[in-house]
Amino acid sequence: EIVLTQSPATLSLSPGERATLSCRASQSISSYLAWYQEKPGQAPRLLIYYASKRATGIPARFSGSGSGTDFTLTISSLEPEDFAVYYCQQCSNWPRTFGPGTKVDIK
Amino acid sequence: EVQLVESGGGLVQPGGSLRLSCAASGFSVSTNHFNWVRQAPGKGLEWVSVIYSGDSTSYSDSVKDRFTISRDNSRNTVYLQMNSLRAEDTAVYYCTRESGVTYHLDVWGKGTTVTVSS
Repeated sequence: EIVLTQSPATLSLSPGERATLSCRASQSISSYLAWYQEKPGQAPRLLIYYASKRATGIPARFSGSGSGTDFTLTISSLEPEDFAVYYCQQCSNWPRTFGPGTKVDIK
Repeated sequence: EVQLVESGGGLVQPGGSLRLSCAASGFSVSTNHFNWVRQAPGKGLEWVSVIYSGDSTSYSDSVKDRFTISRDNSRNTVYLQMNSLRAEDTAVYYCTRESGVTYHLDVWGKGTTVTVSS
């Protein structure tokens, strides 16, 4: 089973600041990595797929990068609605696995 | 509008059974892959099961031999039959559509809550 590690666990930032979230896989997954955003009481929402492709309707301030084992989600300038929990998921091997999440909260 | 709507959750005693339904609209279940993903209270996301368009299936070790995923193309619905339920199965269960190319989960339902307790 591929284990995903996300860091940091919590990121405390102010609106307008840049957020950099990391996801590391225990073995190479090529570019088969997705990022999801989850807000309280809502279902997760796809942000990024295939490591760097923005999903439909996702603002350009969200970007993804990386391949192999190391991946990054960057939010260039945090908007109030971006404070949420972010999960990465590997889509390369079975069983599919998720990282434990990074909570982005307001400083 | 492309949409997934789950139903069938509720309170069940340990050892009991439930069947979750996931009704799709705006697209056909017969030509897509579907995953169930769950989230226990205060925890992260956990993949549970998948059914492919060709009807092959796979399960996480934690639910294998207890849960069964299936689909009814005539009803445009995907199901998750859950037997021998345990307290640790308590979670919100999300039905998701999986992209056939890069395998990400591009459509999510709002979820249905399963509580296993005596």
